[in-house]
Amino acid sequence: GEDVEQSLFLSVREGDSSVINCTYTDSSSTYLYWYKQEPGAGLQLLTYIFSNMDMKQDQRLTVLLNKKDKHLSLRIADTQTGDSAIYFCAESKNTGRRALTFGSGTRLQVQP
Amino acid sequence: DGGITQSPKYLFRKEGQNVTLSCEQNLNHDAMYWYRQDPGQGLRLIYYSQIVNDFQKGDIAEGYSVSREKKESFPLTVTSAQKNPTAFYLCASSIDRGGETQYFGPGTRLLVL
Repeated sequence: GEDVEQSLFLSVREGDSSVINCTYTDSSSTYLYWYKQEPGAGLQLLTYIFSNMDMKQDQRLTVLLNKKDKHLSLRIADTQTGDSAIYFCAESKNTGRRALTFGSGTRLQVQP
Repeated sequence: DGGITQSPKYLFRKEGQNVTLSCEQNLNHDAMYWYRQDPGQGLRLIYYSQIVNDFQKGDIAEGYSVSREKKESFPLTVTSAQKNPTAFYLCASSIDRGGETQYFGPGTRLLVL
């Protein structure tokens, strides 16, 4: 199966909180990342969490990591229309090949 | 302004033609990466380079080639052997060979005529 899995689509109303979920399979992952991609653009690093942490907060963003279940989530508080984009979860594996493994992305649609 | 630049933004390839995508970074990063993105999918690794004059194949290297003659440059050539080249190509770099925290360029969209 896929190394990193995400749901395809999430729709929320402006001002609500959004929660985007991700599961990964490699328990030796060192860092886990969230990237944002707007249409036709590259990936923008939003935040990351080291594998020995269980939570990280950065302004409107909260990342939760459950290592036992290999589950990562990104919560966006007070979601705005400008948050509409595709969000990618990625893991950095603790192997000689230091590249990221990405999920297929979750499209977040924010309704006014 | 530090960052990663990719050019061109759009590139058209004719049948049997090789084309080269440019990636330049002025972040003084050691490692650079090329990913391919197809619609509705995540990114797949084509090639990566952890240091000048060295590079390694990723998951989908067939039909592609790279060079790393300078630290700041990592061009990708899409050869005629790549039968399905239409995709969005993303270049990234990271500060060291550890690969954590990769920063991405704006991408090049390759289309086949």
